[in-house]
Amino acid sequence: QVQLQESGPGLVKPLQTLSLTCSVSGDSISNVGYYWSWIRQHPGKGLEWIGHTYYSGSTWYNPSLKSRVSMSVDTSKNQFSLRLTSVTAADTAVYYCARDRGNGYDNTWSDYWGQGTLVTVSS
Amino acid sequence: DIVMTQSPDSLAVSLGERATITCKSSQSLSYSSNNKNFLAWYQHKPGQPPKLLIYWASTRESGVPDRFSGSGSGTDFTLTISSLQAEDVAVYFCQQFYTTPPTFGGGTKVEIK
Repeated sequence: QVQLQESGPGLVKPLQTLSLTCSVSGDSISNVGYYWSWIRQHPGKGLEWIGHTYYSGSTWYNPSLKSRVSMSVDTSKNQFSLRLTSVTAADTAVYYCARDRGNGYDNTWSDYWGQGTLVTVSS
Repeated sequence: DIVMTQSPDSLAVSLGERATITCKSSQSLSYSSNNKNFLAWYQHKPGQPPKLLIYWASTRESGVPDRFSGSGSGTDFTLTISSLQAEDVAVYFCQQFYTTPPTFGGGTKVEIK
């Protein structure tokens, strides 16, 4: 059974950098054909796709966040990470990591998700 | 970005009755070359990770009970729970994966009447 678990600070100060890690068990992050994504949900609102990465290090980001987002993969630890710079209160959300599969990098759905972690941006 | 609109926002259905949720996209999610519709449905229960139910609009994920079915094409899609069970209480949301970025519907909360 594939399991994902997000970890990282629950509170980040404005203008600082949000950093989260997703630990994957039950599957190798190096498996061909799967992408590893970050998705967030603002309080009381719908879900927003942040982006996803591949074991090779390739990344694809939501254009709305592209200037502030970076993702990376650590195959030795079977983990992948998210960094979001210059955060504001608008970045307060539950952040999910997920495994994506589908029809190539730009046509994927998420078949396994983490529980999600609430990150609050506040001084 | 493609806008996904779900309705209703919430619905209450008696145990054993049918629940129907609709999802409309702002542009077609059908790809003519393979006749597939790039839409997925998820179930999200409190305290649990979201769970994939259906992809390609109508393909049930392995292990998902057959009371869950997806239908539709183009811009109009439906998730049907044929006989609602107590364990089906959850928020359901759709997602298009036709273009990047993938976008999600706002969710429909299903409760027991």
